[in-house]
Amino acid sequence: DAGVIQSPRHEVTEMGQEVTLRCKPISGHNSLFWYRQTMMRGLELLIYFNNNVPIDDSGMPEDRFSAKMPNASFSTLKIQPSEPRDSAVYFCASSSASAAIGETQYFGPGTRLLVL
Amino acid sequence: AQKVTQAQTEISVVEKEDVTLDCVYETRDTTYYLFWYKQPPSGELVFLIRRNSFDEQNEISGRYSWNFQKSTSSFNFTITASQVVDSAVYFCALSEALTSGTYKYIFGTGTRLKVLA
Repeated sequence: DAGVIQSPRHEVTEMGQEVTLRCKPISGHNSLFWYRQTMMRGLELLIYFNNNVPIDDSGMPEDRFSAKMPNASFSTLKIQPSEPRDSAVYFCASSSASAAIGETQYFGPGTRLLVL
Repeated sequence: AQKVTQAQTEISVVEKEDVTLDCVYETRDTTYYLFWYKQPPSGELVFLIRRNSFDEQNEISGRYSWNFQKSTSSFNFTITASQVVDSAVYFCALSEALTSGTYKYIFGTGTRLKVLA
């Protein structure tokens, strides 16, 4: 079975450019999570969706970040405009059931973003 | 607020040694879940185990074992006869319900394990 799929795997862009990260959750999973990992802050939850609806976006750093989930099999995380401090690894994860607290989250391979 | 502490930033062992990674958590809830993930040098996060707050039985899976003790709020992870392929960063995480009806994983800062040949 395919796991969580993320694209691109690596992205290098210049400050001020728009960046779009993509995620396809595991088929049948109805919860999707976006995380950011940096050396300074570790793993941070940015936003999560349940049944395509954003449930908690309190971790989204600022208005430059936005996330959408137009259907059950696709989500995007957009940064516009990007800044060097956005450089990080962005992970997407999915889980089954309705965001129940005990459900295991399965992570994608991550997108390594470098903003110059 | 809930919190997960992995006090060991980095551990180095020689192959075949046993090693224990510590995880201490804080929560006010009686219902919660604990997890361990492995992040190898390739970067992905691999799920290892899930444990709920009502199940204090230790678990063994091959060379891996986990010791959950509510009395000390700890969920430690032991690798027996370590191998070079065990070299990775290991994360402990806590999941508990929030008052808003949602929930969140809280990750520890990770322990980097280096297994030397």
